[in-house]
Amino acid sequence: QVQLQESGPVLVKPSQTLSLTCTVSIDSINGDSYYLSWIRQPAGKGLEWIGRVNTGGSTKYNPSLKSRVSISVGTLRLSSVTAADTAVYYCARLYSMRGEDWLDSWGQGTLVIVSS
Amino acid sequence: SSELTQDPAVSVALGQTVRITCQGDSLRYYSVTWYQQKPGQAPILVLYGENNRPSGIPDRFSGSTSGNTASLTITGAQAEDEADYYCNSRDNSGNVIFGGGTKLTVL
Repeated sequence: QVQLQESGPVLVKPSQTLSLTCTVSIDSINGDSYYLSWIRQPAGKGLEWIGRVNTGGSTKYNPSLKSRVSISVGTLRLSSVTAADTAVYYCARLYSMRGEDWLDSWGQGTLVIVSS
Repeated sequence: SSELTQDPAVSVALGQTVRITCQGDSLRYYSVTWYQQKPGQAPILVLYGENNRPSGIPDRFSGSTSGNTASLTITGAQAEDEADYYCNSRDNSGNVIFGGGTKLTVL
């Protein structure tokens, strides 16, 4: 089981940039088919995929967030946040290859509240 | 289409069999994955590659896909299976997509 741990500020002011860190062993996401992925979940709602990155720096983002999001290995940045970005944010290891995708290990999640 | 549709809620009597479904055009072309999430916890992977269980997932969990509909079947549901279940696949652009989730109640 791969260990992942999210960290970052709980409270972010509107219009500012949310920045979170995911601590994970690089070895566990190395390889052609493995990625570090971010997912979020507003309270009482479903899962929303934010994006993913591999150790080579190749990224892919949810089109609905693409203009505001940046992911590097270990870091998520989401700019110009609003209350709608309040959620539990998870990092997870993504396996993606030949039409198959699964998130096989998840961090415990970190709550981010956007409020002034 | 980049949407996956799940029934919001399903219930099952203890020990009975329940099927949770996930519908979407992408399922005709790409595999489905299923996750279980209990209150206050992160999701865990329960089925991947259509019908493969990670280590530690009981064999009462199984999956299948027909056309645009994927199913997660729990044969002999237990009290500990009460949770939210999410399906995921990908869209034609390679983006990960999730279903809206199904709340399973074990009566």
